[in-house]
Amino acid sequence: DAKTTQPNSMESNEEEPVHLPCNHSTISGTDYIHWYRQLPSQGPEYVIHGLTSNVNNRMASLAIAEDRKSSTLILHRATLRDAAVYYCILVKTSYDKVIFGPGTSLSVIP
Amino acid sequence: DTGVSQDPRHKITKRGQNVTFRCDPISEHNRLYWYRQTLGQGPEFLTYFQNEAQLEKSRLLSDRFSAERPKGSFSTLEIQRTEQGDSAMYLCASSSGGRGAFFGQGTRLTVV
Repeated sequence: DAKTTQPNSMESNEEEPVHLPCNHSTISGTDYIHWYRQLPSQGPEYVIHGLTSNVNNRMASLAIAEDRKSSTLILHRATLRDAAVYYCILVKTSYDKVIFGPGTSLSVIP
Repeated sequence: DTGVSQDPRHKITKRGQNVTFRCDPISEHNRLYWYRQTLGQGPEFLTYFQNEAQLEKSRLLSDRFSAERPKGSFSTLEIQRTEQGDSAMYLCASSSGGRGAFFGQGTRLTVV
């Protein structure tokens, strides 16, 4: 299975944009890039996913490198509620099981 | 859409007892997944169902663990002869493809 690499932790100031990087150099052509986040004491929450093109939704934007070997989750304006562990995951199909790595723990400073 | 619900939210049991957890997925989601999460770690995949068929089981799912989804709707996860190492959060998720998986709040198991 293709793996992803994320920083263990990041900090952001409240109301600033946050760019969470993810490397996936062994990604295959059919792997989708999914992002989930997990707030303290809650189950993981789907954030966004993409295949080749950049994607936007009400929660975040996903920027995918042209060679697909890396991607960046962008939170346009961090709030205290965005403090969570963010997981970047490769999924073979939209139905496939989600295999979690350690993720990036995001702290938001007021 | 009431989301994925899990019951109970918390369970404390004595070592050696059997426990059963229930998961009610989002209606019409044909895929259902079970995960286990220990403190400070990401969720670990245990097993998944498509409708009532159990399609994959992780090596983490020892013989003491069994999962069922008898009518392709709710699912149960049973742990027999619990051990202290079974203490964890057990998460259930469901999906119909497309947007990814929706997770429940989990059942926190403490084995004493």
